[in-house]
Parts: sequence; C-alpha cells; structure tokens
Amino acid sequence: KAGVTQTPRYLIKTRGQQVTLSCSPISGHRSVSWYQQTPGQGLQFLFEYFSETQRNKGNFPGRFSGRQFSNSRSEMNVSTLELGDSALYLCASSLDPGTAYGYTFGSGTRLTVV
Amino acid sequence: QQQVKQSPQSLIVQKGGISIINCAYENTAFDYFPWYQQFPGKGPALLIAIRPDVSEKKEGRFTISFNKSAKQFSLHIMDSQPGDSATYFCAASMRTGGSYIPTFGRGTSLIVHP
Repeated sequence: KAGVTQTPRYLIKTRGQQVTLSCSPISGHRSVSWYQQTPGQGLQFLFEYFSETQRNKGNFPGRFSGRQFSNSRSEMNVSTLELGDSALYLCASSLDPGTAYGYTFGSGTRLTVV
Repeated sequence: QQQVKQSPQSLIVQKGGISIINCAYENTAFDYFPWYQQFPGKGPALLIAIRPDVSEKKEGRFTISFNKSAKQFSLHIMDSQPGDSATYFCAASMRTGGSYIPTFGRGTSLIVHP
C-alpha cells in the first residue's frame, strides 16, 4: 500500500516568487492536512481539507493557500515568498478525521527561499 | 502561546538505558495524546497514543504515562537502542470543526549511544 507522496522533495525559490507543493494521500484517505516544520517553531498546522473543503485553518497569512481535488490529492500554494518561509512542508492524511487515529505523514517538501 | 510544552529539547542516553520525555498541556478539551517519531529525511510516524481515561499504555518498549490532574504525560523508552535515535514529538488533539487536529510539542532529539 503506497504511503503519502509529496512532490517535489526539494525546491529552491527566490524571494517574491510563488510555489506550489503537491500531496497524494493514502488511497481511501479523504482528509489531508498540511504542516510547516522549522527548527525554531516545530510543527505548525497550516490547514486541513476534507472532501474538497477546507475544514480547519491555522494562523498563517493569506499568502498560504491550498485546495483539494475530487481524487483527494491536495496542493498548497505560497505566494510572494519570504526568507522565513524556508521550511519542511509536511502533508498528512487520515482515513476518518473525525476519529482520533492519528495521521500518516509524507516525507515532506524541503523549501529553501533565497 | 505554546499549548503543548515538551522537555527536554535534547536527550543523550546509553544503550540499554531508559529515555524519558515529558509533555504538559493547558487546554482540558484535549482528549487524544499521540506521540510521533521522526527520523532524518522522513516525516513523523505515529508511535503510540493514549486517551485521558487511561493512566498508562504500553506497547513493547514504549510506555505512555498520563496524569490528567496535572495535565502532564510522558513517554518512556525502556532498554533504549541506537535505532531509537530520532526526534520525538508529543501532541494533544481535540475535535475541531469535525476533525481531530493535533497540536505538537517542539520535539526532543534523542541520541542513544551504543
């Protein structure tokens, strides 16, 4: 059974550019969540999508956005990149987000903004 | 405001020793407490989890101890092995907008010396 797949694994962008990251959840999982991981702040929740609808959102500026497609694949977009956006972006999927079974994380996309 | 406080930030243990990581939370609405293990280059993986109606849960060498009145919980790794060297995250979850969204601690980097 394939796990959570995130592409690309590594990305280098310049300040002011925008970036799109992709996440394919485990087959059958309808919930996808995104986290930003940095050494200073740890894992911070960005947003969660379920059945193509954003259900929950963390405290990030509007430059961070996402969407989910009908096949449950998700993308997140960061516009007008800042140096502080350099981080590991993790996607996690769950079978039933209404029950507390925990997430399955992907290996992440390492974004470096220069 | 950090809702889940984790300590220590780093921990060095000899092979065969006991590793103990502590977490404390403020919000009594949290009702699911998972621990995640993360190896370099990988996303976090669910290790073990507990509900607040149980004071202890053991899975192999890993045990969670939970103190509801003190709002604290801890992870004990018995007979620690070099393969346990990883970063460990505690988390606390509650149902928000129909989904369980975990709030993570800052993480503990564990090194087990052979």
